[in-house]
Amino acid sequence: DIQMTQSPSSLSASVGDRVTITCRASQTISTSLNWYQQRPGKAPELLIYAASSLQSGVPSRFSGSGSGTDFTLTINSLQPEDFATYYCQQSYSPLYTFGQGTKLEIK
Amino acid sequence: QVQLQESGPGLVKPSQTLSLTCTVSGGSVSSADYFWSWIRQPPGKGLEWIGYIYYSGSTYYNPSLKSRVAISVDTSKNQFSLKLSSVTAADTAVYYCASLGVAIITLDYWGQGALVTVSS
Repeated sequence: DIQMTQSPSSLSASVGDRVTITCRASQTISTSLNWYQQRPGKAPELLIYAASSLQSGVPSRFSGSGSGTDFTLTINSLQPEDFATYYCQQSYSPLYTFGQGTKLEIK
Repeated sequence: QVQLQESGPGLVKPSQTLSLTCTVSGGSVSSADYFWSWIRQPPGKGLEWIGYIYYSGSTYYNPSLKSRVAISVDTSKNQFSLKLSSVTAADTAVYYCASLGVAIITLDYWGQGALVTVSS
C-alpha cells in the first residue's frame, strides 16, 4: 500500500494568516492527490482533486500544488470556518489511502 | 445531487457482526459512475478505508479487514450494505458511506456517519 504522511499533525494560526500543509507519498503518485476538510462532528468534504483542481463551490483561498511524492495545501487569509482537520488522500492505486490528518486550530 | 444515509444498530456486542446499510437518493447504485464505499473513523482518530463495491458486484476490501468484511448492493432498494464480523472494541468508530467517482477518483458525496460502539 502507498503510505501518506502529513505534516504538521497540528497547527495553530490566526484569522487572516496563510498556512501550508504538506503531504508526502511513499512512492510516486503523479498528481493523483486529493484534499478533504473535516469539521468537528461532520463528514469530510472534498476541497482539491488531482493535486491542484479546486472542487466546485470551494473558496479560492484554498489551493493545492505538487506532483510525484510531495504535495501542499495552502489556505490564504484564514477564515473562522477554516479551523478544521485536513486530510490528503492518494487516488493513484487501491487502497486509496489517507494521510493521518492535520488539525488546524485557532491561535 | 446524490445523498447518502447510513442506518443500523449503534451498539454491537463483541464477537458479533456489525451490519450497516446506506440508502442512496438522488442517484442510483446501478450507476457506472461510482464505487459505493465504506470508510470508518475511530473516535479522535483518522480515516480508514473499509472497502467499496461497483454496480457489477465487484468489490475491493482493505487487506487488513478483508477476512471479516462483506459489502453488497441491493439495486431494488437503491442501497448498499456493510457486514463486519467478529467485532472487538477496536472496531468502535463512526462509519461513513460515500460515493467514490470512477472517472476522477474522489469521494464526492458522504453520509452523515453512524457511530457504532462495540461493547458488552
